[in-house]
Amino acid sequence: DAKTTQPNSMESNEEEPVHLPCNHSTISGTDYIHWYRQLPSQGPEYVIHGLTSNVNNRMASLAIAEDRKSSTLILHRATLRDAAVYYCILKETSGSRLTFGEGTQLTVNP
Amino acid sequence: NAGVTQTPKFQVLKTGQSMTLQCAQDMNHEYMSWYRQDPGMGLRLIHYSVGAGITDQGEVPNGYNVSRSTTEDFPLRLLSAAPSQTSVYFCASSYSTGVPGELFFGEGSRLTVL
Repeated sequence: DAKTTQPNSMESNEEEPVHLPCNHSTISGTDYIHWYRQLPSQGPEYVIHGLTSNVNNRMASLAIAEDRKSSTLILHRATLRDAAVYYCILKETSGSRLTFGEGTQLTVNP
Repeated sequence: NAGVTQTPKFQVLKTGQSMTLQCAQDMNHEYMSWYRQDPGMGLRLIHYSVGAGITDQGEVPNGYNVSRSTTEDFPLRLLSAAPSQTSVYFCASSYSTGVPGELFFGEGSRLTVL
């Protein structure tokens, strides 16, 4: 499985945008980029996914580099509820397995 | 909507005891899986299933058994519990094994083995 690299931790202030980076230099052409987050004492929840184009949904935006070797999850206005561990994961088109790394712990300051 | 339901939420076992963690989903999902999460770490895949009657091993399958007799249920069995199996266990399911394969997770089962 192709690996991802994320910073261990990041901090943000409430109401400000947050850019969470992810490097995946060994990504293959058929890998989708998935983001999940895990709030304290809960199971992970899906945030967003993409292949080549930037994606937006109600939770976040995903910006994918042109060479696909990196991506950035964007939270447009961080809230205290966004404090969580964010996981960037590569998923094969036809595969069913998701391999989680250690993720980025996001702290949101009031 | 129940989603993915795990039972029990908490369990304490003694070394050598056996038990089953239950996982049920009501979304008619083909794919189901079990992960474990140790303190301060990401999730590691134990076993997964792409449909009734089909199971396969993940990263850390030793010490665990699974079966998938129905679409809805995917129990995880610990045959002889060891302290190294102290962890939080998450069951997850998705509609298909292809794209997008969004995973829905249960709330977790916290297991302590003494």
